[in-house]
Amino acid sequence: GAGVSQTPSNKVTEKGKYVELRCDPISGHTALYWYRQSLGQGPEFLIYFQGTGAADDSGLPNDRFFAVRPEGSVSTLKIQRTERGDSAVYLCASSPGLAGQADTQYFGPGTRLTVL
Amino acid sequence: AQSVTQLGSHVSVSEGALVLLRCNYSSSVPPYLFWYVQYPNQGLQLLLKYTSAATLVKGINGFEAEFKKSETSFHLTKPSAHMSDAAEYFCAVRRAPLVFGKGTRLSVIA
Repeated sequence: GAGVSQTPSNKVTEKGKYVELRCDPISGHTALYWYRQSLGQGPEFLIYFQGTGAADDSGLPNDRFFAVRPEGSVSTLKIQRTERGDSAVYLCASSPGLAGQADTQYFGPGTRLTVL
Repeated sequence: AQSVTQLGSHVSVSEGALVLLRCNYSSSVPPYLFWYVQYPNQGLQLLLKYTSAATLVKGINGFEAEFKKSETSFHLTKPSAHMSDAAEYFCAVRRAPLVFGKGTRLSVIA
């Protein structure tokens, strides 16, 4: 079946602009996660959705970052007033939401964001 | 707080040699532990996970890992490296999100 997809695969923007990154999870997965991976680092958690609600947004670095999942499927990560330090690969993952902490997260290929 | 430490940011082995990638975890509760592999320009793929069943966990592509509570370790091994194993490997411990180590880049020399 289809895996997690993310669009766009690459996004180049100028400092101060607004960007939206999209994630299509595996069909039927109730849990959705956003991570950010900077060069040479492991992924860092941003936000986690269970259904339509954000169950944990403690990883969002500041109020310029926001994410939604209005219908419990597709999610959009929104970044306002982008800064050069926001440049990274943004990864989305989904999981069935059935096995609690043992749930396997399936990752998309990521969106590479470059802020000039 | 839960965290993982991966010892060695870069490991280089010869084709056919043993692969050993080290991961130590810190957790105040019994952990769920994962190894993911990331090929260039691709997303993370699950290799294996420990969920408190058997302490020796077998994964895909011939990899396995052993959970050792006394050593707080979850090292990844493969008896014989292939060229196709060259990638970045991440160890992770689970709360609701995953907490990842910084990764170990594996190079395989022909």
